[in-house]
Amino acid sequence: GAVVSQHPSWVICKSGTSVKIECRSLDFQATTMFWYRQFPKQSLMLMATSNEGSKATYEQGVEKDKFLINHASLTLSTLTVTSAHPEDSSFYICRTGGPSSLGGYTFGSGTRLTVV
Amino acid sequence: SQQGEEDPQALSIQEGENATMNCSYKTSINNLQWYRQNSGRGLVHLILIRSNEREKHSGRLRVTLDTSKKSSSLLITASRAADTASYFCATVAYSGAGSYQLTFGKGTKLSVIP
Repeated sequence: GAVVSQHPSWVICKSGTSVKIECRSLDFQATTMFWYRQFPKQSLMLMATSNEGSKATYEQGVEKDKFLINHASLTLSTLTVTSAHPEDSSFYICRTGGPSSLGGYTFGSGTRLTVV
Repeated sequence: SQQGEEDPQALSIQEGENATMNCSYKTSINNLQWYRQNSGRGLVHLILIRSNEREKHSGRLRVTLDTSKKSSSLLITASRAADTASYFCATVAYSGAGSYQLTFGKGTKLSVIP
């Protein structure tokens, strides 16, 4: 089945700096990747959809300039949290666009971002 | 907006017991999926049930779907300590222009005590 590699698993950064999170599709071509944010003890909130070779589509309320998404190749989508602040601390997860043969979706292992 | 609502929010059982989690949703769906998330990790797909199905089994998992009540349940039989995790239901619904939307519930945190 599809394998998505996400890294880093966790990162601690200072306020005002930028952090890049990568999601790589290891055994398939990902034309679409979805990015989620998860607050503690809460569900996943869709932030944006990245499309290879075109601009990402952001959900309402998500700041495009704060969360930069790039999908420059069929195997790599990146989320960059720019000028990070403590309120950006969260768990970020990516997932594949298309379902697997069993119908489910493949998620990355997630990135825990802590901004201090 | 949230599509699925799970209950209970948290469930603690003894190893060997069965665990039942429920999920309710609001709109018509194409299918409903259940995912598992270990603490600090990504989600793992467990099982999918289509809107025209009523029950599905996979190993120790049993899922039911009642589209008239817009609800689903996940039963884990003979639970093990390793089943400790958060479980999320997710609905897939047609959102127009050939696209489908995946929406998650808030999850149930299951603790299985050895």
